[in-house]
Amino acid sequence: GAVVSQHPSRVICKSGTSVKIECRSLDFQATTMFWYRQFPKQSLMLMATSNEGSKATYEQGVEKDKFLINHASLTLSTLTVTSAHPEDSSFYICSAVYLTSGGTDTQYFGPGTRLTVL
Amino acid sequence: SQQGEEDPQALSIQEGENATMNCSYKTSINNLQWYRQNSGRGLVHLILIRSNEREKHSGRLRVTLDTSKKSSSLLITASRAADTASYFCAVGNTGKLIFGQGTTLQVKP
Repeated sequence: GAVVSQHPSRVICKSGTSVKIECRSLDFQATTMFWYRQFPKQSLMLMATSNEGSKATYEQGVEKDKFLINHASLTLSTLTVTSAHPEDSSFYICSAVYLTSGGTDTQYFGPGTRLTVL
Repeated sequence: SQQGEEDPQALSIQEGENATMNCSYKTSINNLQWYRQNSGRGLVHLILIRSNEREKHSGRLRVTLDTSKKSSSLLITASRAADTASYFCAVGNTGKLIFGQGTTLQVKP
């Protein structure tokens, strides 16, 4: 099946630093990837849509200057949390769209990255 | 918002029993998908049902979709302790997925 990886799986950083999270589709090419964040015991909230070779599209209320997204290739998207603060602590999950032979696009999710900002 | 709403929020059953979770949504959709998430882990795709489908099966899973009522249900038959997880519905439209709040299922051995 389609596999998506994320790196790192867990990161702890000091307030004010920047953190980069990578999302890779391992065995398929993904023109579109999505970034979500999930607070404890809550659902996933879509942050942005990442399209290869173009600027990301951010959901309402998500600061594009704080959450920098780069989709440099068909298998890699990165999310950089700039000047992180404790309120940015969350579980960040990416997904990559895999277009099935039936023409239906299914999102396959990475294992998530737990960010803790001290 | 077209975010799905799920009920119940939490469900606790004995191993071997069936578990039913419901999802309602607000706007038109292309498809509706169900995912499972074990605590602190990523999401596992369970099943996708298109807007023109009414029922779909996959192993012990049965999903129904009623577009007139804007609702879907996920039935897990003969539950196992390993089914303990959170289950989310997600409505798909224009490529995006909007997730419901999820149902936390606990299956007691």
